[in-house]
This record gives sequence, structure tokens and C-alpha cells, in this order.
Amino acid sequence: SQQGEEDPQALSIQEGENATMNCSYKTSINNLQWYRQNSGRGLVHLILIRSNEREKHSGRLRVTLDTSKKSSSLLITASRAADTASYFCATAPDNNDMRFGAGTRLTVKP
Amino acid sequence: NAGVMQNPRHLVRRRGQEARLRCSPMKGHSHVYWYRQLPEEGLKFMVYLQKENIIDESGMPKERFSAEFPKEGPSILRIQQVVRGDSAAYFCASSPDRDREFFGPGTRLTVL
Repeated sequence: SQQGEEDPQALSIQEGENATMNCSYKTSINNLQWYRQNSGRGLVHLILIRSNEREKHSGRLRVTLDTSKKSSSLLITASRAADTASYFCATAPDNNDMRFGAGTRLTVKP
Repeated sequence: NAGVMQNPRHLVRRRGQEARLRCSPMKGHSHVYWYRQLPEEGLKFMVYLQKENIIDESGMPKERFSAEFPKEGPSILRIQQVVRGDSAAYFCASSPDRDREFFGPGTRLTVL
């Protein structure tokens, strides 16, 4: 079963705006990962944040992790049309098996 | 509608043996993706298949690895003559339309 749950399920914004996606999970984790999937292609790993980290940056991406609330957020700043994709979070519970959410479909309008 | 199923969940092989991993997609899904995950790393794309066709195998090692998705039955990821470096979790995902992927629970392969 899938553990991570992203919200919103779909998000539509204008180019240049920021996009925020959230992920909630149920059990304790070792790390949480965010992935992007462009239509018709496999997943691309974006960023991994460990359970003892609170925030991580990579380019225009910012990920936060709140283990007390069992939630994470992915912020994409200054979005571009090329950011249009589905975004998934995946969690690695203590037993190291990964669990994926259903994803957020982001549309960035030029 | 049952989710994506993978079996076995855990597989132990000795070096030189063959490993067969199975993935049954969700009902109505004709697209299957295979990924490999090494410990503490993200997923790495291996191969994308549609029924009876390999669409993209750019992530598959050139030797010993093969995948199929027959008209009937599950998708199979086959690893011949396994080596210790093949130890990993292997995930498959299925999709009805190439846009959304639904993941299975994974198969953890251990090579002794």
C-alpha cells in the first residue's frame, strides 16, 4: 500500500510563481524522497532528505521535513513551463521498504 | 481494484544464479516501469515497457539484465548470473496512460 500522500492532487500556476506541494506519511521513516515524472517517462530523483534534517535546497527546489507532523513540503520557486510534471514523495520507513504517494500533477502555464 | 503486486517480496540468491522478479500491474494498466534502488539512494530508472514492447531501456545494464511484459501474465525482470552488486530493492510501477504511476511494494534481492 502507498504510505505517502501528496496534496494537492493537481496544481495549476502561472510561470514565475512558486509551487508548493505537500506530503504526509504515517510511520516513522529513515528518509523521504521527492521525484518528478514527466509524461511518458520514468521517475527522476530530485532530492532526499534524512529524518534528522529539517530543510534541504537544490537549485530552485526547497524541501522541508517535519517528523513531528509526519509531513514534508516541496517548494519550486520561480516556476517554468518545463516544471510541468507529476511530483511524488516516497518514504523509507524503518524497515527500508519504500512507499510512494499518488503524486501531485503540476501544470505551469507560460 | 488491487494495487500493483510484486513477488517475491524478498529473494535470496547465490552468486551466479538467476533472479526472476515479477510485477503484476493494476487492472487495465498497459504500461510498466522498473526501478532499482540501492541502500540510502533514490530510485534509478531501468526500463519502460508496454504490452509486448520495450519502449525505453536506457537504464538497463547492457549485460545479464532483461525485461519483458508479455501479452498475458506479469512483467518479468530477469537477472542472470547475479553478483553481489545486484543486491538492491527493485520496484515496478504501472500506469494506464503514461501520466501517472502506481508503485508496487518492491522486491528486495540479496545476493550472497
